[in-house]
Amino acid sequence: DSGVTQTPKHLITATGQRVTLRCSPRSGDLSVYWYQQSLDQGLQFLIQYYNGEERAKGNILERFSAQQFPDLHSELNLSSLELGDSALYFCASSVGAGIANYGYTFGSGTRLTVV
Amino acid sequence: AQKVTQAQTEISVVEKEDVTLDCVYETRDTTYYLFWYKQPPSGELVFLIRRNSFDEQNEISGRYSWNFQKSTSSFNFTITASQVVDSAVYFCALNWRNKLVFGAGTILRVKS
Repeated sequence: DSGVTQTPKHLITATGQRVTLRCSPRSGDLSVYWYQQSLDQGLQFLIQYYNGEERAKGNILERFSAQQFPDLHSELNLSSLELGDSALYFCASSVGAGIANYGYTFGSGTRLTVV
Repeated sequence: AQKVTQAQTEISVVEKEDVTLDCVYETRDTTYYLFWYKQPPSGELVFLIRRNSFDEQNEISGRYSWNFQKSTSSFNFTITASQVVDSAVYFCALNWRNKLVFGAGTILRVKS
């Protein structure tokens, strides 16, 4: 158990729908990162939050949004879902805002299937 | 731009063979970190190693060893006496501005 908890583990939904993925970071970690792993794009960074504030943004679609709450858990909201959004979504956490000197612990992922 | 290349898409070996997974990176940063992750069939990403750019000493952990060569921008990973449980996808990654840039991964199949 990495200490990073992601729920749900699997999600099947229809095109056009909206879903919310949840991540609880490892105890003591202030940063949360979201990654998408798809067959065609590989592992891609989406967004980072540090202590409630957005810190870095990657190739995140406008249909996707995220936030980090005061208890440090984070949610990734995916809306107007398309077939191409089917992927494994990972959350990772680290102690600090930057990756230098800090480890990166991944959760076990949420597998999203859009039908 | 930061880039990680894992040229080997898939490698198949027989148990007990040694296998080396290649990783070549590109970065303009003078300080950077390199990582290896393992993704077994169950799907989770398992951290294997982190190496900073100032430490070029090779590292060994059990059957795993890593060879970091700044001169060739490579950070290769060797598994000695491979086992079926080593079958997984292995990713090399480079940090850049708070995020990890991953290579495409190498699928390792170890047959008994």
